[in-house]
Amino acid sequence: ETGVTQSPTHLIKTRGQQVTLRCSSQSGHNTVSWYQQALGQGPQFIFQYYREEENGRGNFPPRFSGLQFPNYSSELNVNALELDDSALYLCASSQYNEQFFGPGTRLTVL
Amino acid sequence: QQQVKQSPQSLIVQKGGISIINCAYENTAFDYFPWYQQFPGKGPALLIAIRPDVSEKKEGRFTISFNKSAKQFSLHIMDSQPGDSATYFCAASTGTSGTYKYIFGTGTRLKVLA
Repeated sequence: ETGVTQSPTHLIKTRGQQVTLRCSSQSGHNTVSWYQQALGQGPQFIFQYYREEENGRGNFPPRFSGLQFPNYSSELNVNALELDDSALYLCASSQYNEQFFGPGTRLTVL
Repeated sequence: QQQVKQSPQSLIVQKGGISIINCAYENTAFDYFPWYQQFPGKGPALLIAIRPDVSEKKEGRFTISFNKSAKQFSLHIMDSQPGDSATYFCAASTGTSGTYKYIFGTGTRLKVLA
């Protein structure tokens, strides 16, 4: 186990709703990255937070937003959910170049 | 230029055989290349990683071979076991300090037959 935890494990929402996913980083790690993994695909980079500031963003619309807190835990918020947002959402914490992933949150949008 | 191409998409190997997964990249700024193993319903787990100043790295049954001029790298799993059956992802990254950003390949589903 990596020590990275995510909640909730599973979530079902309907189109148009909003969702907040949470991630607790591994002790001593000041960077959290969020990824979207569609079924049968590799993880796609959403954005990264370093010392509470956004530090890079992938090709995702502004309705995907995030926060990092002083204890380096993080939230991913998605507004106006669409069917295509159904995926496994992964967070990874890192101190240097090695990223350690949590178990993910499985989001289903109906 | 940001893509990482991974092949094959799926692989079936007999127990005790060698599994080989290949990846290729374009961006020469990439300077860290990890491999992850993912079981169904779990997050990816870091297996082994390499930097471009090294041509090969071995950890137990897992070996990365790196060809900087060809911009290719591969994972070799020696003496493959049924417990190795999982999806494997290569990644490439660049960055400084704690701010490396990863680009992942599309994954290889490995099945090792008993």
